[in-house]
Amino acid sequence: AQSVTQPDIHITVSEGASLELRCNYSYGATPYLFWYVQSPGQGLQLLLKYFSGDTLVQGIKGFEAEFKRSQSSFNLRKPSVHWSDAAEYFCAVGDDNYGQNFVFGPGTRLSVLP
Amino acid sequence: GAGVSQSPRYKVAKRGQDVALRCDPISGHVSLFWYQQALGQGPEFLTYFQNEAQLDKSGLPSDRFFAERPEGSVSTLKIQRTQQEDSAVYLCASSLNNRRNTEAFFGQGTRLTVV
Repeated sequence: AQSVTQPDIHITVSEGASLELRCNYSYGATPYLFWYVQSPGQGLQLLLKYFSGDTLVQGIKGFEAEFKRSQSSFNLRKPSVHWSDAAEYFCAVGDDNYGQNFVFGPGTRLSVLP
Repeated sequence: GAGVSQSPRYKVAKRGQDVALRCDPISGHVSLFWYQQALGQGPEFLTYFQNEAQLDKSGLPSDRFFAERPEGSVSTLKIQRTQQEDSAVYLCASSLNNRRNTEAFFGQGTRLTVV
């Protein structure tokens, strides 16, 4: 069965600093991978997704993620964090049968210092 | 509406009470999903509809949970005889089809508190 781990429960960075959120997955075949962001009281918003092809994918709000099959990782990065990026970030893997049956990781809460 | 709408946004139920949570997906979306998100955790899959057909209910935690989508649009998640462990945010998502590269759009969720 698929599983997703996000080793960091909470990360704090200063505004303007770079960011990397870690995600590791367990999946038997080629995974469909996603990063979602959840602001307080809001639903999940898709940041980016990987299906195939270029292993470096660009998303919204200046985020990018790199798929590394050898490490079973799909880490999220941003070169310069803005205060509005403070939120909960979830990595997810899509199901074989229908893509939107996601298995989510536990999430990483990002705090941004002014 | 422009997005997935869920109601009510907040629900407080006494233990043992029945509740019904509503999801209005984006018009024309074939696929509809329900997820349960406990405090401090990631969402967990409950059930999946393709139009009015419930194709997967493997994530429903007990037979107290029941979901329906009778006309292939609006869906209702019903929880009977609520227990404290049912307290969570219930998220609904819809997508145009069930292809893996089709984006799913999430509603804001219903926060259920059982007291």
